[in-house]
Amino acid sequence: AQKITQTQPGMFVQEKEAVTLDCTYDTSDPSYGLFWYKQPSSGEMIFLIYQGSYDQQNATEGRYSLNFQKARKSANLVISASQLGDSAMYFCAMSPDSNYQLIWGAGTKLIIKP
Amino acid sequence: DTEVTQTPKHLVMGMTNKKSLKCEQHMGHRAMYWYKQKAKKPPELMFVYSYEKLSINESVPSRFSPECPNSSLLNLHLHALQPEDSALYLCASSQDRGSWTEAFFGQGTRLTVV
Repeated sequence: AQKITQTQPGMFVQEKEAVTLDCTYDTSDPSYGLFWYKQPSSGEMIFLIYQGSYDQQNATEGRYSLNFQKARKSANLVISASQLGDSAMYFCAMSPDSNYQLIWGAGTKLIIKP
Repeated sequence: DTEVTQTPKHLVMGMTNKKSLKCEQHMGHRAMYWYKQKAKKPPELMFVYSYEKLSINESVPSRFSPECPNSSLLNLHLHALQPEDSALYLCASSQDRGSWTEAFFGQGTRLTVV
């Protein structure tokens, strides 16, 4: 079965602290992509970061980094120096090469406290 | 212009009404998608168009009717909807079917069926 699991329904974090959002995945495909999206209350799904299954290095995009541990099938998102504008719903998603669709996790609602 | 534009942003319709949602992109993307998203849930894929042809229909009821008049435009025609169809409807586009590293989402249409 192809599945994404996000175990944190909600998180509260103090502004300027780093935050880690958990994501584990299950697939038998040798080739796949892992994605993180941010969805503010406005509704738009904003692409944050991508990690390919064969990428040797962890992906980074500004304050976002993806902690990819292939053997553990985890792809946690790390946000450094959190800001109030980071408050949103965060989704982890996977696209196995055998199935071009995006498989979504349940999401984590992140609230940054001032 | 790296943008997917959805109109209207909000829509309230009665169960006997006919309405349409519109999605437009000018990035030359050849795949376009409709998703339905209930509150605090991940998006659910409804339809996929690839090169202006319907390639995926995820067993969506016939009261939802997609249309792709040209490569830049995707419509979703609504007729005789039920209150449980109230949701955020997201459109997305990508360079090709499944090329999610180059995909963009619109801000969505918040639909309320009364």
